[in-house]
Amino acid sequence: DADVTQTPRNRITKTGKRIMLECSQTKGHDRMYWYRQDPGLGLQLIYYSFDVKDINKGEISDGYSVSRQAQAKFSLSLESAIPNQTALYFCATSDSPIISDTQYFGPGTRLTVL
Amino acid sequence: GIQVEQSPPDLILQEGANSTLRCNFSDSVNNLQWFHQNPWGQLINLFYIPSGTKQNGRLSATTVATERYSLLYISSSQTTDSGVYFCAVGQGGSEKLVFGKGTKLTVNP
Repeated sequence: DADVTQTPRNRITKTGKRIMLECSQTKGHDRMYWYRQDPGLGLQLIYYSFDVKDINKGEISDGYSVSRQAQAKFSLSLESAIPNQTALYFCATSDSPIISDTQYFGPGTRLTVL
Repeated sequence: GIQVEQSPPDLILQEGANSTLRCNFSDSVNNLQWFHQNPWGQLINLFYIPSGTKQNGRLSATTVATERYSLLYISSSQTTDSGVYFCAVGQGGSEKLVFGKGTKLTVNP
């Protein structure tokens, strides 16, 4: 089984709808991240969390919210989806930087907002 | 904020050829990773290499932190090497990776 899983893998929705993307990990990492990738570009950080009680905004948090339900689960919500939020969304995890700074990515969720 | 530039933006090779991908960054970093995004969109960690040299099979990477660049070498390329290669850097803790725009590699049979 994959260490970092994302659901759904693909989603098509309409403008104004509320959408939740879910991420689960079995790596036992404390740190989790949500990134967005637009076509032809690199990834941009939306939100990150160092533990269940710690949530931080990234570069492009406007229009998004997150919930860290447990060490293993980190959800991203679009409260009212708009077409320019059409993108590929990635969840990632990492261990304590004392151990390793390497980030491990899930398979991605392709979101289309019509 | 820190800027990350990757070159070339596109690269087309014949199977068996060697290639070098470059990543320049504008400030000192303590985290640098290379990723391969395959044609299905999956991101694969290749190297965590904030400094020094590492090798893994046909791939190797070198980061010269004092000169603010990293190189990814691909030898004897295969069609399965096709995809986009990203360099990402971080400063301070690992809370924020800044990604370059990637190098799109196409390996033809």
